[in-house]
Amino acid sequence: EPEVTQTPSHQVTQMGQEVILRCVPISNHLYFYWYRQILGQKVEFLVSFYNNEISEKSEIFDDQFSVERPDGSNFTLKIRSTKLEDSAMYFCASRQGRGRGSPLHFGNGTRLTVT
Amino acid sequence: QKEVEQDPGPLSVPEGAIVSLNCTYSNSAFQYFMWYRQYSRKGPELLMYTYSSGNKEDGRFTAQVDKSSKYISLFIRDSQPSDSATYLCAMDGGYQKVTFGTGTKLQVIP
Repeated sequence: EPEVTQTPSHQVTQMGQEVILRCVPISNHLYFYWYRQILGQKVEFLVSFYNNEISEKSEIFDDQFSVERPDGSNFTLKIRSTKLEDSAMYFCASRQGRGRGSPLHFGNGTRLTVT
Repeated sequence: QKEVEQDPGPLSVPEGAIVSLNCTYSNSAFQYFMWYRQYSRKGPELLMYTYSSGNKEDGRFTAQVDKSSKYISLFIRDSQPSDSATYLCAMDGGYQKVTFGTGTKLQVIP
C-alpha cells in the first residue's frame, strides 16, 4: 500500500539553526499538510498546501516556517531559526482530494530536538 | 468551547472487552470523520473514515456518527493487547484543515 515517507526520522539541532524536514507524499495525492505534536499533546495543524501554494496556515506557522514542493515529489518544511519550543514530532500528511473518499494519510514523522 | 472534545483517558480494559471511544464536536460544518490509531513515537494510522450518520464496520472496528448530536464513537470488539495505543478522532468540513481531538490512551491488559 502506498505510504507517506519522511526523512530524517530524528533531527537534533542547536537553537538558531535552520532545519529542513522532508516528505514524499503518496504519488496521486494533491493536498499536502504539515502537523506538529509536542510530546504528550494533541496533533496540531500547521499548514496545508495545494496547487503549489499555501491554502491555509495556523497561528503556529509564523514567518520562521516555510514550505516548498521543489520537484513534484518532495514536500519540505523549513524552520529558519529554530527555538527550543520547536522541539516536537512533525508529521507530513497527504490526501487525494477534499471531502468524500479522501481521508488524510500520515507519515511516521520526524522527531525534532532543539538544544 | 473546543471544536473537538475527547476524553484523554487513560482507559484500561481486560483483553476481550468491548471498547467504546468517543468524541464530541461543536462545528456543524464538520462532515467527514476519521479515527486514527497512534503508537508511541509513530505517525497516526488511519483506522476508519466515514462521512454519513450511522454505522460503518471494518473487522473488529465500528465507527458510529450522530450528526444531530455532534457525537462520534469508535467501538473495538474483542480487544487485544496489540490494540493498546492512543486513538485520535479527526474531522473536517471538506475544506483544507483536519482538526484532531486530544486522543484517548487505551491499554488492553492480557
